[in-house]
Amino acid sequence: AQSVTQLGSHVSVSEGALVLLRCNYSSSVPPYLFWYVQYPNQGLQLLLKYTTGATLVKGINGFEAEFKKSETSFHLTKPSAHMSDAAEYFCAVSDQGTDKLIFGTGTRLQVFP
Amino acid sequence: EAGVAQSPRYKIIEKRQSVAFWCNPISGHATLYWYQQILGQGPKLLIQFQNNGVVDDSQLPKDRFSAERLKGVDSTLKIQPAKLEDSAVYLCASSFRQAGSTEAFFGQGTRLTVV
Repeated sequence: AQSVTQLGSHVSVSEGALVLLRCNYSSSVPPYLFWYVQYPNQGLQLLLKYTTGATLVKGINGFEAEFKKSETSFHLTKPSAHMSDAAEYFCAVSDQGTDKLIFGTGTRLQVFP
Repeated sequence: EAGVAQSPRYKIIEKRQSVAFWCNPISGHATLYWYQQILGQGPKLLIQFQNNGVVDDSQLPKDRFSAERLKGVDSTLKIQPAKLEDSAVYLCASSFRQAGSTEAFFGQGTRLTVV
């Protein structure tokens, strides 16, 4: 079964610092990969997705992620953190055949002034 | 474009009572998901519909949970009887399969507290 592992349940950075949230997937075939963000008391919002093609994917709010097949990773980065980036971030994997969407356990990002 | 609508936003019930949640997906989206998100955890897929048929319900506790999607549009998720451990946010999502990708859109969720 497909799964994703998010390393680090909490990440803290200073405003303006690099954000790096880690995600590794387990799949025997190239999956679709997603990053979602969840603000308090809100549903999940798509940040970016990888399906096929370019391995560096750019998303909303200045976030990007790189698909590395050799490392089975899809880490999320942002060059300069903003206070408004504080939220819960979820990595997810989708089976191309069934569209079943499986989430990781999430990483809570804190941004300090 | 209207998003995924869920109601109610909040619900408090006593254990052993029953509760139902409603979801209206984005128009034209054939796939509908129900997720359970316990505090501090990632969303767990309970059931996935394709139109009005069930694609996956392997994680649905069928002794107490049920879901239906009549006419392939709206969906309801029911819990009867509720247990304390059912306290969670129940998220509904829908997707429209496009060539090469499937993106799920989420509602704001229903926060259930069982006391």
